[in-house]
Amino acid sequence: AQTVTQSQPEMSVQEAETVTLSCTYDTSESDYYLFWYKQPPSRQMILVIRQEAYKQQNATENRFSVNFQKAAKSFSLKISDSQLGDAAMYFCAYALNFGNEKLTFGTGTRLTIIP
Amino acid sequence: ETGVTQTPRHLVMGMTNKKSLKCEQHLGHNAMYWYKQSAKKPLELMFVYNFKEQTENNSVPSRFSPECPNSSHLFLHLHTLQPEDSALYLCASSQETGTSGYNEQFFGPGTRLTVL
Repeated sequence: AQTVTQSQPEMSVQEAETVTLSCTYDTSESDYYLFWYKQPPSRQMILVIRQEAYKQQNATENRFSVNFQKAAKSFSLKISDSQLGDAAMYFCAYALNFGNEKLTFGTGTRLTIIP
Repeated sequence: ETGVTQTPRHLVMGMTNKKSLKCEQHLGHNAMYWYKQSAKKPLELMFVYNFKEQTENNSVPSRFSPECPNSSHLFLHLHTLQPEDSALYLCASSQETGTSGYNEQFFGPGTRLTVL
């Protein structure tokens, strides 16, 4: 079975600084997707960024980028120029590369932005 | 309404009550999901419906009963719940094509359920 581990229950960062959230996962598959979801106080889970395992290039979305290390099964999220609106729970998730495949989530990291 | 909506946003019920959670998606998707989010635990997938047919039931107790009357609506009927069932219940939807490649799931804001 696949598992996703987020070892940092809480993180904080000064506004405008950079923060990195860690995620490791365990799978015996070679073709899968990895995701970072954001859950703000409104509770609506929002997809931040995704990475296809077959792609070596790290995904980027504006201020958000990932460091995907397939051999190490590591998938960290870097947030640059942190903004107050980035404060949220961040969840790392995994899914196999089929349609309609279930997401396996980590326990989340609560990110606080210090003004 | 846009996206995925859920009602009610908050629900308090006793262990002997019967209540229902409602989810509606306005995205034209054909698959819908129920997840349970408990404090300090990963989100747990409960049920999956594809084209209104249940395709996944992750060993969920029978006190949770899903219903999908059409591809836009999903219900979760609750009866004789336990205090440990208190959690945030999230609904999601996606457009499944039956081919490889991941189809993004879009989530609703959830129903915060408290069982007394």
